[in-house]
Amino acid sequence: EAQVTQNPRYLITVTGKKLTVTCSQNMNHEYMSWYRQDPGLGLRQIYYSMNVEVTDKGDVPEGYKVSRKEKRNFPLILESPSPNQTSLYFCASSSETSALGGQYFGPGTRLTVL
Amino acid sequence: GEDVEQSLFLSVREGDSSVINCTYTDSSSTYLYWYKQEPGAGLQLLTYIFSNMDMKQDQRLTVLLNKKDKHLSLRIADTQTGDSAIYFCAVDQGGKLIFGQGTELSVKP
Repeated sequence: EAQVTQNPRYLITVTGKKLTVTCSQNMNHEYMSWYRQDPGLGLRQIYYSMNVEVTDKGDVPEGYKVSRKEKRNFPLILESPSPNQTSLYFCASSSETSALGGQYFGPGTRLTVL
Repeated sequence: GEDVEQSLFLSVREGDSSVINCTYTDSSSTYLYWYKQEPGAGLQLLTYIFSNMDMKQDQRLTVLLNKKDKHLSLRIADTQTGDSAIYFCAVDQGGKLIFGQGTELSVKP
């Protein structure tokens, strides 16, 4: 089954404790991206990657890091989480080299930073 | 940068038509999308329209695009309780997707 998986689905942590949210897709997609969803703001892009070893900042990259060492994986790293990073995070992938073909979304990771 | 606006809530009765509206500012977008988010789930691509089209119909869904007014709409015919969800419009900008805030559709029996 074609899918985008994220882990963990729920996470409660404390300020400053490094964490990683994993994202994996099994569709051999070129393009992957991370979004955060906040009430009244819709989805905002954090980082995206057009291919292996190619990553770029989205609209709200501050406080986040990503890596794309393999085509299927695109982890999101919070080196020192802060309460304003409490949000719902989505990973997405697309078969095109951009988002133009429409994206497949993971189920989301709800992060709470205390 | 691109700005995409939607109203936040819409309530309809089962069997009626729903119309969800979206306005955007960047006229250079090639594709415009509608996504659906059910409670506790990720976003699901419902449909999309090329910028050189005025209308696209897909079963109960009709997408209308008015490029002059930069207005996109999604019409759901014969709305069912299972259509209750948040609907996002999105436009592409230089290969990225810019999303609206989402419209929460509530369908009352």
